[in-house]
Amino acid sequence: DAGVIQSPRHEVTEMGQEVTLRCKPISGHDYLFWYRQTMMRGLELLIYFNNNVPIDDSGMPEDRFSAKMPNASFSTLKIQPSEPRDSAVYFCASSFTRVDQPQHFGDGTRLSIL
Amino acid sequence: QKEVEQNSGPLSVPEGAIASLNCTYSDRGSQSFFWYRQYSGKSPELIMFIYSNGDKEDGRFTAQLNKASQYVSLLIRDSQPSDSATYLCAVKVPLGSGYALNFGKGTSLLVTP
Repeated sequence: DAGVIQSPRHEVTEMGQEVTLRCKPISGHDYLFWYRQTMMRGLELLIYFNNNVPIDDSGMPEDRFSAKMPNASFSTLKIQPSEPRDSAVYFCASSFTRVDQPQHFGDGTRLSIL
Repeated sequence: QKEVEQNSGPLSVPEGAIASLNCTYSDRGSQSFFWYRQYSGKSPELIMFIYSNGDKEDGRFTAQLNKASQYVSLLIRDSQPSDSATYLCAVKVPLGSGYALNFGKGTSLLVTP
C-alpha cells in the first residue's frame, strides 16, 4: 500500500517567494496533519484536518502560512511570502480516527529559504 | 502547555546491551503513547504504541507505561548499530474536537560496535 506522499522532496527558493507543499494521505485515513521540524524546536504541529475540515491551526506561526484540504486525497501548505526563518523540514502525516491509531508520516519536504 | 520531556542525549550503549529511553508527560488525561524512530534525514517511523499500564513487548522492543507517574519508557534489548537514531516519544492529546500527537524533542541513541 502507498504511504503518505509529499512533494517536492526538496525546495530551495529566495526570500519573498511563494512556496507550496503538497501531501497525499493514505487512502481511508480521515485525519491529516502538517508538522514542521527544526533542530531548535523539534517536531511542531502546525495544523490538522479531520474529514477535510481544518480543526486546529493554533500552531500556524503567522498569517503567511495557510493550509487547505480540498478533498480527502490532497492537501497543501502554502507560505507567502517566505522568509529564511521558515527553513525547516515539513512533514505531512495521516491517521484513522481511533485514539489508539498512530500517525503515518510522509518523507517530508526539506525547505530552504535563501 | 502540555509537555512531553525527553533527555536529548546522546545516549551511548555498546552493541548487545540494553538501551533505556525515558519520557515524561504532563497531561494526566493522555490515553495513548507512541514511540517513533527517526534516522538522520528521514521521517519518523512508528516502533510501538501503548495505552495500558504495564509492559508491552514486540521483538527486541519493550514499552513501559506508568500513568500514575506519567512516565513512558522504551527498552531496546540486544542493541545493534542499526538502532542508532533519534527516538521520539509522542502522547496523544485532545485538541479541538479531535486528537493530536504532542512530541518530545527526542533522545539520540548511539550504539557502538
